[in-house]
Amino acid sequence: EDKVVQSPLSLVVHEGDTVTLNCSYEVTNFRSLLWYKQEKKAPTFLFMLTSSGIEKKSGRLSSILDKKELSSILNITATQTGDSAIYLCAASINAGGTSYGKLTFGQGTILTVHP
Amino acid sequence: ETGVTQTPRHLVMGMTNKKSLKCEQHLGHNAMYWYKQSAKKPLELMFVYNFKEQTENNSVPSRFSPECPNSSHLFLHLHTLQPEDSALYLCASSHWGDTQYFGPGTRLTVL
Repeated sequence: EDKVVQSPLSLVVHEGDTVTLNCSYEVTNFRSLLWYKQEKKAPTFLFMLTSSGIEKKSGRLSSILDKKELSSILNITATQTGDSAIYLCAASINAGGTSYGKLTFGQGTILTVHP
Repeated sequence: ETGVTQTPRHLVMGMTNKKSLKCEQHLGHNAMYWYKQSAKKPLELMFVYNFKEQTENNSVPSRFSPECPNSSHLFLHLHTLQPEDSALYLCASSHWGDTQYFGPGTRLTVL
């Protein structure tokens, strides 16, 4: 059975701290690893990682995939209160050839950033 | 705004009611998805439609009935639901197997 596990499940930090969120996966027909941020309702897309060892960056956020270890990390530097959210990791598997993907999600990490 | 809209945003229904959730994507994507998000559980894939044909049904009870009249619209028809079906129902779409973009969700409460 496909499985994605995130750690920690929750994290409380103060503004300015740096955080590292972890995601490990065990899936068949792995295609890519995605990170989403969920604040109120819709998960919003952060990163899609397909190649091992290549860091993707967007502002204070960065992420990297390790296919050998079947894992990924999401780093947030100089955290702000607006970073408070649930961070979701999902493994995408090939299904139906390449015409669509199936996502298996982790439980999410609840990040709370205090002023 | 991700280009995926859902209505209604909130829905309260009794166990004997019939209601429908609607999802529309304005992104020209070929695949559309229904997910269920319950408290303290990971997002669960329910159905996948690709070019308006159902390609995945993740062992969802028959009281949930999806419909995809075209590649831009997706419905989830609900009937005789149970209180444990209360959850956030999210719709997503993707262009081929690429990134899935989510709608804002419908918060469903079954009394």
